[in-house]
Amino acid sequence: EAGVVQSPRYKIIEKKQPVAFWCNPISGHNTLYWYRQNLGQGPELLIRYENEEAVDDSQLPKDRFSAERLKGVDSTLKIQPAELGDSAVYLCASSPMRGTEAFFGQGTRLTVV
Amino acid sequence: SQQGEEDPQALSIQEGENATMNCSYKTSINNLQWYRQNSGRGLVHLILIRSNEREKHSGRLRVTLDTSKKSSSLLITASRAADTASYFCATGDYGGSQGNLIFGKGTKLSVKP
Repeated sequence: EAGVVQSPRYKIIEKKQPVAFWCNPISGHNTLYWYRQNLGQGPELLIRYENEEAVDDSQLPKDRFSAERLKGVDSTLKIQPAELGDSAVYLCASSPMRGTEAFFGQGTRLTVV
Repeated sequence: SQQGEEDPQALSIQEGENATMNCSYKTSINNLQWYRQNSGRGLVHLILIRSNEREKHSGRLRVTLDTSKKSSSLLITASRAADTASYFCATGDYGGSQGNLIFGKGTKLSVKP
């Protein structure tokens, strides 16, 4: 069974440019998370989906970040415009049920220059 | 925001020794989970302990949970160089309006051959 797939693995962009990350969760997993992880820190939750509904986006900086989950499956996270402080690893995870074991993708390492 | 806090932040031991990491959290939980992250990789789920459990074993891993103290510990016995990684605790709560999986800052374990 395929795991959580994220793309791209790496992205380097100039500040003020837009960027998008894509996530394909494990088939049948209704819960999808996006996390941001800074160097040496733990993952910080940005948004959680239950099927296609964003049930918690309280930590998502809505002035520049947006997310969607198409038909309750794939998800994209977008930043527009990117700032230097957005440099981090963006992790996607899925779970068969909220609050239980999560399966993580390899992450997208974003560098904003 | 982060719920759990691991202690110590870093731990260095020799191969064959035991490694103990602690996690404290703030709010009521339904379960507590431990994850491992190798350098530059995604997180891998190790073990989940429910709030009504006090101890759980999985191979060389032993997890304890004390809900009265809001703390958990992860013991890795007979450590190997391959155990070198960062370890994170995460609290899960699928009751009510919760359901997020919130991570601590992690313990960086180094096992020297």
